[in-house]
Amino acid sequence: DIQMTQSPSSLSASVGDRVTITCRASQAISNYLAWFQQKPGKAPKSLIYGASSLHSGVPSKFSGSGSGTDFTLTISSLQPEDFATYYCQHYDSYPYTFGQGTKLEIK
Amino acid sequence: EVQLVQSGAEVKKPGESLKISCKGSGYSFTSYWIGWVRQMPGKGLEWMGIIYPGDSDTRYSPSFHGQVTISADKSISTAYLQWSSLRASDTAIYYCARSRTGDYWGQGTLVTVSS
Repeated sequence: DIQMTQSPSSLSASVGDRVTITCRASQAISNYLAWFQQKPGKAPKSLIYGASSLHSGVPSKFSGSGSGTDFTLTISSLQPEDFATYYCQHYDSYPYTFGQGTKLEIK
Repeated sequence: EVQLVQSGAEVKKPGESLKISCKGSGYSFTSYWIGWVRQMPGKGLEWMGIIYPGDSDTRYSPSFHGQVTISADKSISTAYLQWSSLRASDTAIYYCARSRTGDYWGQGTLVTVSS
C-alpha cells in the first residue's frame, strides 16, 4: 500500500495568515492526489483533485501543487471558516489511502 | 444537483448483520465510482473500498477485505455497505463518496455496535 504522510499534524495560525500543509507519498503517484476539508460533525468536502485542480465552487484562496511524491496545500488569507481538519488522499492505485490529517486551529 | 443521501443511524449488537445505503441523484449513477470511507470516533479517514455501479467492479482495501461487502443496485441508484457479523470495533461514521476523487460526499451514517 502507498502510505501518505501529512505534516504538520496540527497547526496554529491567525486570521489573515497564509499556511501550507505538506503531503508526502511513499512512492510516486503522478498527480493522482486529492485534498479534503472536514469540519467537526460534518462530512468531508472536496477541495482539490489532480493535485492542483480546484473542485467547483471552491474559492481560489485554496491552491495545490506537486507531483510524484511531494504535494502541498496552501490556504491564503485565513478566515474563521477555514479552521478545520485537512486530509490528502491518493487515487493512483488500489488501495487508495488518506493522510492522517492536519488540524488547523486558530491562534 | 449531485446528491448522495445515506441511510440513517443504526444501533446494533455484536454479531448482528447490517446493510447501510447511499442513494445517488442528479447524475448518471452508472458512470461514476462510489467509494466508502470509515471514520472511527475522534480519528481520521480510512478508505474501505469502491464500486463501479455500471458493471459492479469492486475493489477493497486489504484492511477491510472479507470484513465488509460493497454492492450496488443501479436500478435504484443505490450503493450499499454491509456486515454479516458486527463487532464493537465497527462503531464509526461511514461515508460514501462519488468518483475516484471523492468529489461529492454523503452526509454519513453513524453505526454504533454495543451490547
